[in-house]
Amino acid sequence: DADVTQTPRNRITKTGKRIMLECSQTKGHDRMYWYRQDPGLGLRLIYYSFDVKDINKGEISDGYSVSRQAQAKFSLSLESAIPNQTALYFCATSDHRGHAYEQYFGPGTRLTVT
Amino acid sequence: GNSVTQMEGPVTLSEEAFLTINCTYTATGYPSLFWYVQYPGEGLQLLLKATKADDKGSNKGFEATYRKETTSFHLEKGSVQVSDSAVYFCALRGGSNYKLTFGKGTLLTVNP
Repeated sequence: DADVTQTPRNRITKTGKRIMLECSQTKGHDRMYWYRQDPGLGLRLIYYSFDVKDINKGEISDGYSVSRQAQAKFSLSLESAIPNQTALYFCATSDHRGHAYEQYFGPGTRLTVT
Repeated sequence: GNSVTQMEGPVTLSEEAFLTINCTYTATGYPSLFWYVQYPGEGLQLLLKATKADDKGSNKGFEATYRKETTSFHLEKGSVQVSDSAVYFCALRGGSNYKLTFGKGTLLTVNP
């Protein structure tokens, strides 16, 4: 079974709709992240959370919100979706212990806003 | 701030060819460096890492050496296979900063 799961894997929605992307992990990591991937731009950080009570904005947080419901769950919401939020969204986790803090990624959610 | 520049693709090679994907970085302090790979339809997987100067990361026949003097972390493989076709991302984590900074990715296609 995958250590980091994301639901849904694909979603098509209309402009103005509210949608939620969910992420769950079984790695026991304390840190979780949301990224978006756009062609030619690499990955950009939307939000990150170091524990359940710690939520922080990343470089492109406008138009998004998050909720850390438990150590293992981190949800991303688009309050009112717009077409330029069409992208591939990834959740990632890491463990604060250890030097390199490498991140482990989920399979991604492909979101299309029409 | 931190930044990563990697060679633009796409890169197209024949099977058994030698691969180099260039990556250079700008960072304060002593960053950790990573290569991630994204196979079609999948998320990113950590391919290899290096945490200090002159370290060599290796995995699945891929290698990269952390060169502080040239601020580089080039990815190499001596003989690529069709199954290596993927997008490769260079990334760094700078000092005490939690945040990963990614390059834009390089698409590699290996033909039989």
